[in-house]
Amino acid sequence: GEDVEQSLFLSVREGDSSVINCTYTDSSSTYLYWYKQEPGAGLQLLTYIFSNMDMKQDQRLTVLLNKKDKHLSLRIADTQTGDSAIYFCAERGHNNDMRFGAGTRLTVKP
Amino acid sequence: DSGVTQTPKHLITATGQRVTLRCSPRSGDLSVYWYQQSLDQGLQFLIQYYNGEERAKGNILERFSAQQFPDLHSELNLSSLELGDSALYFCASSSEGLGTGELFFGEGSRLTVL
Repeated sequence: GEDVEQSLFLSVREGDSSVINCTYTDSSSTYLYWYKQEPGAGLQLLTYIFSNMDMKQDQRLTVLLNKKDKHLSLRIADTQTGDSAIYFCAERGHNNDMRFGAGTRLTVKP
Repeated sequence: DSGVTQTPKHLITATGQRVTLRCSPRSGDLSVYWYQQSLDQGLQFLIQYYNGEERAKGNILERFSAQQFPDLHSELNLSSLELGDSALYFCASSSEGLGTGELFFGEGSRLTVL
């Protein structure tokens, strides 16, 4: 498809793992990103992965990249209430354009 | 603090009016992007400038225009405003081609059209 796709909502219990999935569009994308948007704020880069990598781990965050299926996922271990936010998947395409998904709203319940 | 500054933070105006949103990119970044975020449409790419020149155009209405000045700040002009233009408008900057190419976002300008 033409759009970067993400599910719109995810709800988890505090302490559980969260997995947010994304399907991107450009098989030539060089970098793929996860951004976090907290209420009333702009987007902030959470993590990124270069297209020649399959996995990247950064503390509680694990990014998995499946280039064959153009699938990107973000796993947050031991999810906390402070992780409640909107998470955007983005790709830097071969035209150097930046495409964002619609965002997944993560709600963490105590 | 991302280093990207947007003004004004909030703006309330009436239908038919015109507003200008301003963005100062991070020091050294040549590229500026504008995005519109509304409740029902997620983050929509409007337009990108690189060193004063338009580089890419997304879903930007003809009533909207933008420019990037020699000092690299950018302005987004919205005219003949409609109720549906109410949204959060983000500016982002990037160093383009250096490092990971990530975008650094401002805190946004919230436009309410009454």
